[in-house]
Amino acid sequence: QSVLTQPPSVSGAPGQRVTISCTGSSSNIGAGFHIHWYQQLPGTAPKLLIYDNSNRPSGVPDRFSGSKSGTSASLAISGLQAEDEADYYCQSYDSSLSGFYVFGPGTKVTVL
Amino acid sequence: QVELVQSEAEEKRPGASVKVSCKASGFTFTTHGFFWVRQAPGQGLEWMGWISAYNGRTNYAQNLRDRVTLTTDTSTRTVYMELRRLGSDDTAVYYCAREGPSYYHMDVWGRGTTVTVSS
Repeated sequence: QSVLTQPPSVSGAPGQRVTISCTGSSSNIGAGFHIHWYQQLPGTAPKLLIYDNSNRPSGVPDRFSGSKSGTSASLAISGLQAEDEADYYCQSYDSSLSGFYVFGPGTKVTVL
Repeated sequence: QVELVQSEAEEKRPGASVKVSCKASGFTFTTHGFFWVRQAPGQGLEWMGWISAYNGRTNYAQNLRDRVTLTTDTSTRTVYMELRRLGSDDTAVYYCAREGPSYYHMDVWGRGTTVTVSS
């Protein structure tokens, strides 16, 4: 069981906006630790998409945005494109015995 | 450019050990921490451990603590992950990743090393 929870899948038509939720607890997101998001295209290594809740690394399109509130966070993809079809993982730091760095189980984004 | 180059794929028997390397280039090695993350076939990402290239301090995932060791060689700018007493459920792609400048996240990833454990 993951410490962070994500929906298994979300889908949208090209041009639409989709959001992926990431729910944690008082030992990770709720404790003030940042949420980070990674995109994993099929057959490739993960890539940092959002760090420290809402910051985009250089080169990441501004179609991707992140937010955090309480014990949850979300990743939004606006203007969905075919190349956005991938797995998306949230990640945080957890202060409980379950582990130091934790990932969500991942969400598959399908572009219809 | 900033890059992490990992060693080639490995095939191991159950009970054996594996040591995967990750060579860094394009940035100051000793000012960063490094993570190891693995991904079993069709599964999600699992954090294994973290090491500071500055002082060698380590943190390990609780479920792997007695089988995994992370080390660094600053002279060759290389990070190593050794996993002992391999079982079939250790079959996975193993990634090294650099810790980002604001800490607690992974900003540069290697391409991954496939480790297959089979009798």
